[in-house]
Amino acid sequence: DAGVIQSPRHEVTEMGQEVTLRCKPISGHNSLFWYRQTMMRGLELLIYFNNNVPIDDSGMPEDRFSAKMPNASFSTLKIQPSEPRDSAVYFCASSLGSPIISNYGYTFGSGTRLTVV
Amino acid sequence: AQSVTQPDIHITVSEGASLELRCNYSYGATPYLFWYVQSPGQGLQLLLKYFSGDTLVQGIKGFEAEFKRSQSSFNLRKPSVHWSDAAEYFCAVATDGGADGLTFGKGTHLIIQP
Repeated sequence: DAGVIQSPRHEVTEMGQEVTLRCKPISGHNSLFWYRQTMMRGLELLIYFNNNVPIDDSGMPEDRFSAKMPNASFSTLKIQPSEPRDSAVYFCASSLGSPIISNYGYTFGSGTRLTVV
Repeated sequence: AQSVTQPDIHITVSEGASLELRCNYSYGATPYLFWYVQSPGQGLQLLLKYFSGDTLVQGIKGFEAEFKRSQSSFNLRKPSVHWSDAAEYFCAVATDGGADGLTFGKGTHLIIQP
């Protein structure tokens, strides 16, 4: 398995532009998580899905952020309009059932480094 | 709500020396605890996890961690570090069976000196 695949790896955009981050979870995993990593706040859970359904989006910082999971193999995180304070590394992770009993826990992608100028 | 504290932002260890990274958690019930490692520009890789049973947990790359309920701690150890262990280490806690994601500590940056 290729693992959790995120694209793009790096994104530089101008303030006010729309940004879309993409994630392909491991085939067969039924939970998907979006995290944001910054120096100031560390790793924060933004939103998670179970069986393609958003379960908790309380970590989404503002209405400018939205996430979708149209099918089991694809999810997007969109920021519109983007602002410089959105600059961070965004990680996607997936798991099969309870990550407690899974040998691998949550499997993380390599992240998307977003820079908003 | 649960929280995780990693009191050491940076730790420098000589190659071949032993290592202990500290982690304290705050949660009212039995937590599920994880250690992840992040190499520069990479995602997070699971080192080990604890959810029940033996309080001393063995992980990959020669790491182990011990759960001490009385101290609310889950410290990571390695008897002899290698230069390749230089990375960022994150302790995390999950609750409710882990279905609702992880709460991470701020991380400890490990520097290995020759």
